[in-house]
Amino acid sequence: AQRVTQPEKLLSVFKGAPVELKCNYSYSGSPELFWYVQYSRQRLQLLLRHISRESIKGFTADLNKGETSFHLKKPFAQEEDSAMYYCALSGENTGFQKLVFGTGTRLLVSP
Amino acid sequence: DGGITQSPKYLFRKEGQNVTLSCEQNLNHDAMYWYRQDPGQGLRLIYYSQIVNDFQKGDIAEGYSVSREKKESFPLTVTSAQKNPTAFYLCASKLAGGPGEQFFGPGTRLTVL
Repeated sequence: AQRVTQPEKLLSVFKGAPVELKCNYSYSGSPELFWYVQYSRQRLQLLLRHISRESIKGFTADLNKGETSFHLKKPFAQEEDSAMYYCALSGENTGFQKLVFGTGTRLLVSP
Repeated sequence: DGGITQSPKYLFRKEGQNVTLSCEQNLNHDAMYWYRQDPGQGLRLIYYSQIVNDFQKGDIAEGYSVSREKKESFPLTVTSAQKNPTAFYLCASKLAGGPGEQFFGPGTRLTVL
């Protein structure tokens, strides 16, 4: 079964501090992993996906198949990073047509 | 203005009533999705459709129904059989094939009185 686990409901840091939002997954195969973000009063949008290996807004995420993790990291948090972050997985068993989401982590960056 | 639109933004329903949520997209996407978002539970897939006149149940389809008569439209009906319908509903779409990005609408908040 496909499963995405985000162990932290809330992560609170100060501006300038490093941030790591944890994501672990369960999938027997080669998944595609994504991070989606929902800022206050905005719609859910893609932040980054492992297949493109991009750095968006200073965030990076590395797929670790050995640890089945896809943690989201940023070296210096900004106040505008405060948002709800969702890790999601798509698998070849559904033709990559379905996304399975974690329960989300709310990031709060204080001045 | 391109993208995905959902209407209404807020919807109130009395118990025992069916209600239909609208989702329209002009992105020429083949696949469309309905999710339910509850605090602490993330997004859960209700139904999805990869092509016109075809759709599949997601993880929590009970008490919901959909139709896909046009490529641009994927309405969701919340029936009286849905035991706990009060939630935030999100519609999404993507191009067919491959692990592409899903684009989300602004959502509809349904409250059952």
